[in-house]
Amino acid sequence: LAKTTQPISMDSYEGQEVNITCSHNNIATNDYITWYQQFPSQGPRFIIQGYKTKVTNEVASLFIPADRKSSTLSLPRVSLSDTAVYYCLVGGGKGTGGFKTIFGAGTRLFVKA
Amino acid sequence: SQTIHQWPATLVQPVGSPLSLECTVEGTSNPNLYWYRQAAGRGLQLLFYSVGIGQISSEVPQNLSASRPQDRQFILSSKKLLLSDSGFYLCAWEQLFSEQYFGPGTRLTVT
Repeated sequence: LAKTTQPISMDSYEGQEVNITCSHNNIATNDYITWYQQFPSQGPRFIIQGYKTKVTNEVASLFIPADRKSSTLSLPRVSLSDTAVYYCLVGGGKGTGGFKTIFGAGTRLFVKA
Repeated sequence: SQTIHQWPATLVQPVGSPLSLECTVEGTSNPNLYWYRQAAGRGLQLLFYSVGIGQISSEVPQNLSASRPQDRQFILSSKKLLLSDSGFYLCAWEQLFSEQYFGPGTRLTVT
């Protein structure tokens, strides 16, 4: 499984756009990139998943360059409630026959008023 | 819609006592099921996963075991708890090897 590297922590202010970058140099051809959000004393919650280029949903965007060795989670106009830990995972995505997950330490985002 | 349940929510157990944590999923069939443990301020450690009834894969050697007696039931057990077993235990389900959905978790304190 590809190992991921993320910043340990980030600070931001309400209303700003936050970009969290994840490095995954050993990503395999079949691997997808998935991001989760976790609040204290709760299980992680799926945010977004992508394979290449750009993916956007109602809460975030995911940018993946052509070499796929990194990815950037973009959170537009963060609020205090976005304070959480964000995990980047790389592994088998839809229909690939197995998904053993490695959650690293994640990035602790702290949004200030 | 799909729902995942875990119980108990919190548990305090003495060292050497047995453990049984239960996880059930509703609204789906043949899910992949996972048990994770999270120490305070740390990431999630995958303990076990299961792709079907009676099929258990262990990721980390330890004094814990898992069983899947029914399609949507996943049980985490221990015969004798250690202090190092303390943590936040999370069950998750996954359909078609897509994203995972996590339960509310069980906070276990071994004293």
